Amino acid sequence: GAVVSQHPSWVICKSGTSVKIECRSLDFQATTMFWYRQFPKQSLMLMATSNEGSKATYEQGVEKDKFLINHASLTLSTLTVTSAHPEDSSFYICSARDGQGAEAFFGQGTRLTVV
Amino acid sequence: AQKVTQAQTEISVVEKEDVTLDCVYETRDTTYYLFWYKQPPSGELVFLIRRNSFDEQNEISGRYSWNFQKSTSSFNFTITASQVVDSAVYFCALKAAGNKLTFGGGTRVLVKP
Repeated sequence: GAVVSQHPSWVICKSGTSVKIECRSLDFQATTMFWYRQFPKQSLMLMATSNEGSKATYEQGVEKDKFLINHASLTLSTLTVTSAHPEDSSFYICSARDGQGAEAFFGQGTRLTVV
Repeated sequence: AQKVTQAQTEISVVEKEDVTLDCVYETRDTTYYLFWYKQPPSGELVFLIRRNSFDEQNEISGRYSWNFQKSTSSFNFTITASQVVDSAVYFCALKAAGNKLTFGGGTRVLVKP
């Protein structure tokens, strides 16, 4: 299957700072990327869907000003957690798809800890 | 709206026992895809299988097998002769119209030696 690389795999930051997570499709062009959040012992919850070159579509209850998503190229999407707080500590995972109806491939995930 | 229910939150077995994970889904769409993923402690999601709504054939891959029953909206997963390396959280997921993946709550499988 196709490879999606997510970086960093883990990050610790201080409360009030911003953190950027990158999601790259290494061997295909990702027209659509998805960002999920997973709290401990819970399922994956979709945060937003981003299409290359357009604004992301956020799920209900997800603050777009807090979770900034940029999908400026066909191989890279970024999620920036702005003014992070301890309650933002979670596992963030992206997935990428190369066309309508095609399967989405997942990155390795990023474990964010805000102290 | 789509919904996926995995009624078992945790299953504990002894090595070599078989274990079956239940998955029940809800959708009004006639065309949809069902998935199973494995999430080991390291966190990454490992793709196991995809099945489309028009293919009800059961599938076997090594020690893994899947039973898709449209009549009961179920897509159950069986691990035969479980091994310690099978210990992980397993997610069932549904993709219907709109192309979003809806995940079930996950089932944690613990295989004891």
